[in-house]
Amino acid sequence: DQQVKQNSPSLSVQEGRISILNCDYTNSMFDYFLWYKKYPAEGPTFLISISSIKDKNEDGRFTVFLNKSAKHLSLHIVPSQPGDSAVYFCAASANGAGSYQLTFGKGTKLSVIP
Amino acid sequence: DSGVTQTPKHLITATGQRVTLRCSPRSGDLSVYWYQQSLDQGLQFLIQYYNGEERAKGNILERFSAQQFPDLHSELNLSSLELGDSALYFCASSARTSGGIFEQFFGPGTRLTVL
Repeated sequence: DQQVKQNSPSLSVQEGRISILNCDYTNSMFDYFLWYKKYPAEGPTFLISISSIKDKNEDGRFTVFLNKSAKHLSLHIVPSQPGDSAVYFCAASANGAGSYQLTFGKGTKLSVIP
Repeated sequence: DSGVTQTPKHLITATGQRVTLRCSPRSGDLSVYWYQQSLDQGLQFLIQYYNGEERAKGNILERFSAQQFPDLHSELNLSSLELGDSALYFCASSARTSGGIFEQFFGPGTRLTVL
């Protein structure tokens, strides 16, 4: 049972346009959500996060939106740049019992076309 | 560079063998997490250690075990290897942010190939 789902395996966007990556979750206990970016042959790199008490968090070109009622979050990248081409993983945690383990989606491969 | 180191980078071995993957967390981080990424899969949480003690267990097989040493480095032991164990194994360490949330920083991974 996949608790975090990224239904789009890939996404292509023109340079300068907006990239929107989507993520759905099923576990109501999740209270913290993160996006990681991964280049080939490297480990995931933390990008941005959002707590369940918020509905938006912004960091430069990256904005994450959280819709708790729909159990949906999205990552917006504006403007998209060729260097943003990577696999993006959505992750969630239920910060109980002090574990903070992450449950990941399968990732969306973003290609930004110059 | 996340500050988390993993060795070896690549490992090729045969079915039935045993291997050990090593992870050194970022300086000062007490928690170490192990994740497995198989082909076309997201990262699957295996196990977490905090300051030498097991804190949480995920989808870790009985053939796999881990430990964290007094210097906080961790080792993941995989035994009786099967073809399906071929995967990328990532280690992460975490630190509390100013907002009280633990961010996880990942190492570059160890690619295990079982032939």
